Amino acid sequence: GAVVSQHPSRVICKSGTSVKIECRSLDFQATTMFWYRQFPKQSLMLMATSNEGSKATYEQGVEKDKFLINHASLTLSTLTVTSAHPEDSSFYICSAATQMNTEAFFGQGTRLTVV
Amino acid sequence: AQTVTQSQPEMSVQEAETVTLSCTYDTSESDYYLFWYKQPPSRQMILVIRQEAYKQQNATENRFSVNFQKAAKSFSLKISDSQLGDAAMYFCAYSIYGGSQGNLIFGKGTKLSVKP
Repeated sequence: GAVVSQHPSRVICKSGTSVKIECRSLDFQATTMFWYRQFPKQSLMLMATSNEGSKATYEQGVEKDKFLINHASLTLSTLTVTSAHPEDSSFYICSAATQMNTEAFFGQGTRLTVV
Repeated sequence: AQTVTQSQPEMSVQEAETVTLSCTYDTSESDYYLFWYKQPPSRQMILVIRQEAYKQQNATENRFSVNFQKAAKSFSLKISDSQLGDAAMYFCAYSIYGGSQGNLIFGKGTKLSVKP
């Protein structure tokens, strides 16, 4: 089956620093990757959609300069949280899909804690 | 805008019994996809079942089945013969593109507990 690997699974960083989260499709080429954010005991909220080789499309209210998304290859997308603050602490989940599928496959998620 | 509503924050079921999780949605589209995802404590999102709106037949996957009422915009999940491993958060989700080319709109989730 399709596997999406997200790394790291947990990260703690100091306020003001940047942190990068990787999302890799291990056994298929992902033309599209999605980044979601999940607050405690809340639902998943789409942050942005990235297509390989083009700029990401951000949802309303998501700061594109704060949450930098790069989708440089068909198997890798990265989310960089720049100048992180405690309010950025959350669970971030990626999903990846191909145009051939009707399903998007999720990574394991990354718990970010900013102290 | 499309919305997904799960009115049951928490549900509980006895092992081997049947439980139904509710979901309603709002959309002006005639063709779309509906999903139920399971999120266990590991936080990994797992697709449970998918329904295409143009199909009148309710989707089934082993012990999981849905009751899709398009006119009522209702999409409930029935879990039969509940097992301890079914305990998790369950999210109802909507997509106009089948989940691959468009974003998923999630409900707030229902936490299911299974009692031995």
